[in-house]
Amino acid sequence: KNEVEQSPQNLTAQEGEFITINCSYSVGISALHWLQQHPGGGIVSLFMLSSGKKKHGRLIATINIQEKHSSLHITASHPRDSAVYICAVIGNSGYALNFGKGTSLLVTP
Amino acid sequence: NAGVTQTPKFQVLKTGQSMTLQCAQDMNHEYMSWYRQDPGMGLRLIHYSVGAGITDQGEVPNGYNVSRSTTEDFPLRLLSAAPSQTSVYFCASSRQGASQPQHFGDGTRLSIL
Repeated sequence: KNEVEQSPQNLTAQEGEFITINCSYSVGISALHWLQQHPGGGIVSLFMLSSGKKKHGRLIATINIQEKHSSLHITASHPRDSAVYICAVIGNSGYALNFGKGTSLLVTP
Repeated sequence: NAGVTQTPKFQVLKTGQSMTLQCAQDMNHEYMSWYRQDPGMGLRLIHYSVGAGITDQGEVPNGYNVSRSTTEDFPLRLLSAAPSQTSVYFCASSRQGASQPQHFGDGTRLSIL
């Protein structure tokens, strides 16, 4: 099984701060997902990436396949960004995802 | 479009009871999957399906049964509920496999007494 480690586990930031969440995995992969879980429980897919960088609004995701590491950045953070951010990697079969435990982010006004 | 619909949203069962968690998607997705989410742990895959008539086990399949008779529906059956199956269950779908953006249902919160 591909072990997925996220850091930090919990993060508190003030509105406007630049935020970085990290994800490392143990076995080489073809692609990685970043997901957002709202306080109400719903899960939304933010990014899927296999190389380089992707940007959507204030969110930026990067991946370094050789170093087995990905980062999710949030620029100009806002209280509505408060959520759990989850990293998931694709298992060997190509049909299963292995998930990190999530990073709980709280952005205060 | 409704996306991925899970029912019920909440359920309380007694130990030994059986029940079916429903999952339906209207996006004509081939790949569907079931996960459970427990405190302090990441989402864990229970079963998945790559198309109608095809299912396979995930990481934690014991105590659960699935079938995929249509592209739209992927029900998860608890055969004889146990307190260890108290969890939040999520269904997800994608066009094909894990290498595609995943669409999640809102979850079913299940308590086994």
